[in-house]
Amino acid sequence: KAGVTQTPRYLIKTRGQQVTLSCSPISGHRSVSWYQQTPGQGLQFLFEYFSETQRNKGNFPGRFSGRQFSNSRSEMNVSTLELGDSALYLCASSLFSGRTDTQYFGPGTRLTVL
Amino acid sequence: QKEVEQNSGPLSVPEGAIASLNCTYSDRVSQSFFWYRQYSGKSPELIMSIYSNGDKEDGRFTAQLNKASQYVSLLIRDSQPSDSATYLCAVNAGNQFYFGTGTSLTVIP
Repeated sequence: KAGVTQTPRYLIKTRGQQVTLSCSPISGHRSVSWYQQTPGQGLQFLFEYFSETQRNKGNFPGRFSGRQFSNSRSEMNVSTLELGDSALYLCASSLFSGRTDTQYFGPGTRLTVL
Repeated sequence: QKEVEQNSGPLSVPEGAIASLNCTYSDRVSQSFFWYRQYSGKSPELIMSIYSNGDKEDGRFTAQLNKASQYVSLLIRDSQPSDSATYLCAVNAGNQFYFGTGTSLTVIP
């Protein structure tokens, strides 16, 4: 079974631009979560989508948004990029099976904002 | 606020030794617990999951869970240089995952 895929793997943008990242979950997985990882802050939860609905949201500004499609693929958008948005963005998928739910991570998208 | 705490390390052990990684969590309704390994520049990969009190063994890895004391640990036996990585503890509580900041482990040949 194919794992979680993320595109693009690397991205360089300038301040003020916007960016869209894509995540395809493991086949059959219905939940997709997004995380931002930086050396100083560790893994920071952005949001989770299940059945095209945002179920949970982390403490990030409104510049960060996402959506999920009917095939469970998800996109994350960051508008008006800031230097501090440079990070590894990770997508994780899970079955959403309750207490035994396990998240599996994609390879990540490395975003650099200049 | 649901918190997951780990010692950031770095933790250094000689090759062949046992590495012990610890994690505490604050939410008593936490239901399932995970250890992930993350190599530098890579994404986290799942090592172990544990749901019930006690020990769970998988090869050289043993996860230990004590819900009464709210801690979960990971033991790595016969540590190898390839085990050098950051280990993340994660907790699933209320269908949301919470991650610790990770413990950096270095296995010295």
